[in-house]
Amino acid sequence: KAGVTQTPRYLIKTRGQQVTLSCSPISGHRSVSWYQQTPGQGLQFLFEYFSETQRNKGNFPGRFSGRQFSNSRSEMNVSTLELGDSALYLCASSLDRGQATGGYTFGSGTRLTVV
Amino acid sequence: AQSVTQPDIHITVSEGASLELRCNYSYGATPYLFWYVQSPGQGLQLLLKYFSGDTLVQGIKGFEAEFKRSQSSFNLRKPSVHWSDAAEYFCAVALGNKLVFGAGTILRVKS
Repeated sequence: KAGVTQTPRYLIKTRGQQVTLSCSPISGHRSVSWYQQTPGQGLQFLFEYFSETQRNKGNFPGRFSGRQFSNSRSEMNVSTLELGDSALYLCASSLDRGQATGGYTFGSGTRLTVV
Repeated sequence: AQSVTQPDIHITVSEGASLELRCNYSYGATPYLFWYVQSPGQGLQLLLKYFSGDTLVQGIKGFEAEFKRSQSSFNLRKPSVHWSDAAEYFCAVALGNKLVFGAGTILRVKS
């Protein structure tokens, strides 16, 4: 079966712009989580959606937002981009709570560069 | 606060040698633990997971990990490393519906 698909793979944006990243989970998976990976801060949890509802949110400013559609696909949006937002953004999907249902499957990520 | 510690930032082993990557967690209840591997520019691939039961867990690519509650550890092992194992390895604990990751250990394999 197809894995977690993230688009685009690479993105270059200018400070102050906004960006939208997309994630299509594994078919049948209803939970989608987003993580930011940077050399300085490592892997940090952004938010998690299940059945179009945000269930959990990490410690990020309000410029970071997300949503989930009825087909479980998810988008995250970052507004007013800052240089520090440059990172690899990873999406993970699971059936429900990943720890109880076999774990989380990650996509290949979107590499965002802010210039 | 719940946390995951990977004490080794880099480890270098010779091809064919055994490997052990360390992971310690701080978590009050029975943890759900994972090991992931990441190749450069790629996402995370699940190697193995521990939910309950047998404390020795077998994973993909010949990896195994042992959960030791008394030491709050979940170390990853492989008896014989291959050059293709060179990557970054992350230990993680599930807290509700999110993962908390360690800082990662970069594995270098020398021929």
